[in-house]
Amino acid sequence: DTGVSQNPRHKITKRGQNVTFRCDPISEHNRLYWYRQTLGQGPEFLTYFQNEAQLEKSRLLSDRFSAERPKGSFSTLEIQRTEQGDSAMYLCASSPDETETQYFGPGTRLLVL
Amino acid sequence: AQSVAQPEDQVNVAEGNPLTVKCTYSVSGNPYLFWYVQYPNRGLQFLLKYITGDNLVKGSYGFEAEFNKSQTSFHLKKPSALVSDSALYFCAVRDEGTGRRALTFGSGTRLQVQP
Repeated sequence: DTGVSQNPRHKITKRGQNVTFRCDPISEHNRLYWYRQTLGQGPEFLTYFQNEAQLEKSRLLSDRFSAERPKGSFSTLEIQRTEQGDSAMYLCASSPDETETQYFGPGTRLLVL
Repeated sequence: AQSVAQPEDQVNVAEGNPLTVKCTYSVSGNPYLFWYVQYPNRGLQFLLKYITGDNLVKGSYGFEAEFNKSQTSFHLKKPSALVSDSALYFCAVRDEGTGRRALTFGSGTRLQVQP
C-alpha cells in the first residue's frame, strides 16, 4: 500500500501529558499537511510543509503544538501539556508539486482524559 | 478569507434515485474546489476536483460535480445512488489568489441511501 500512513491510530492520554504523532506521506510527495477534525465538523487546517520547510501555520496551532519534517519525508506533530479540548482526530495529508489534490491518511484519534 | 457552506446536514435518497449534495463557497480570487468522502473512523477519500476548464467534473465511483461561478456553487451529483454511497461528504475550497495551500472544509453532509 502506498498511501499516507499515520501512527498511532489511537491514543489515550491523561491531561497534562505530551503526545507525539507520526505521518509518513506518499513517497515523493513534497507537500505535507496536518488537519484536526472534531466530531461533527469538517477538518481544520493546522500546518503545511513543503519539503522540510514549514510554510503555513494556523492560529489553531497554539504554542503547545509543534510540527516537524526534518528531512522532508515523515512528519511529527507533538502536543505538549494536553488538554481535554485537544481530543480530536488528527489527519495528515500529502500532495505532489504538480497537483492540487491532497491525499489523506487514516488519522490518529486522540482522547485526553 | 475563504469559506464553504454545506447547507444540509443530512440528505436522504432511495437507492437508484439521483442524488445531489450541495456546496457553496466564498473566495476573493479563483476557487480550487474539492469533494471528499469519509467513512466511519476513516480518513478522507478524494472524489473529484475543479481547478480550471470544463464546469462539469467527473470523479470516482460515478460522482460528478458542476462548477457554477455565478452562483458560487459546486454541487455533487450522482445519477443513481447506491446503498454503499452512504457516508459523510465534505466540500473544500482553496483560494488560488492567496498563495496559501490550506484547504477550508465545510461542516459535512451525511448521505443516507435507503434500500
